[in-house]
Amino acid sequence: NAGVTQTPKFRVLKTGQSMTLLCAQDMNHEYMYWYRQDPGMGLRLIHYSVGEGTTAKGEVPDGYNVSRLKKQNFLLGLESAAPSQTSVYFCASRVTNTGELFFGEGSRLTVL
Amino acid sequence: AQSVTQPDIHITVSEGASLELRCNYSYGATPYLFWYVQSPGQGLQLLLKYFSGDTLVQGIKGFEAEFKRSQSSFNLRKPSVHWSDAAEYFCAVGSGGSYIPTFGRGTSLIVHP
Repeated sequence: NAGVTQTPKFRVLKTGQSMTLLCAQDMNHEYMYWYRQDPGMGLRLIHYSVGEGTTAKGEVPDGYNVSRLKKQNFLLGLESAAPSQTSVYFCASRVTNTGELFFGEGSRLTVL
Repeated sequence: AQSVTQPDIHITVSEGASLELRCNYSYGATPYLFWYVQSPGQGLQLLLKYFSGDTLVQGIKGFEAEFKRSQSSFNLRKPSVHWSDAAEYFCAVGSGGSYIPTFGRGTSLIVHP
């Protein structure tokens, strides 16, 4: 009954450090998404995947990379973190035909 | 391209009062429409959805929404607001034909006692 699980939930980085956020879903969904949420900006799409082995850029992809090696996992990487990447990151997976999204609880990242 | 507009950034209501949050969309085909709620510090949770059929849909927590094709709207309503309804509300549009669900910028609901 897990749904979408994100790890870690909180992380503090120094500028220039790297890290990876992991998203795991147990609903066998093909589509997965990474969003960032900033005050007053709503949800902005970073990258998405329409199936295992595929990834595509969203609205704000710069500074991020993703991988979808397994259908249930979608990884978001920051190679060299910048203060502008301080945000709350949400992963979501989607029911194929209807577009309904299931969200994780979010990962709060602070870059100093 | 599809788009979603939530005209109200903030809405303030008194507890027990009725509520209507506005959502307008632009979409070429018959849309699938959603309302999500985000409580402080939490992820987004689906409130209700419209795919087809009856244009008045019921959701969780006593919410309902009405799809009006002629107005390209999908407004969210609740007859009597509770203090626990204070949250951020997002309208979204998507369909099987589009890989990218589109969200509005959200409306923050403040409930006064």
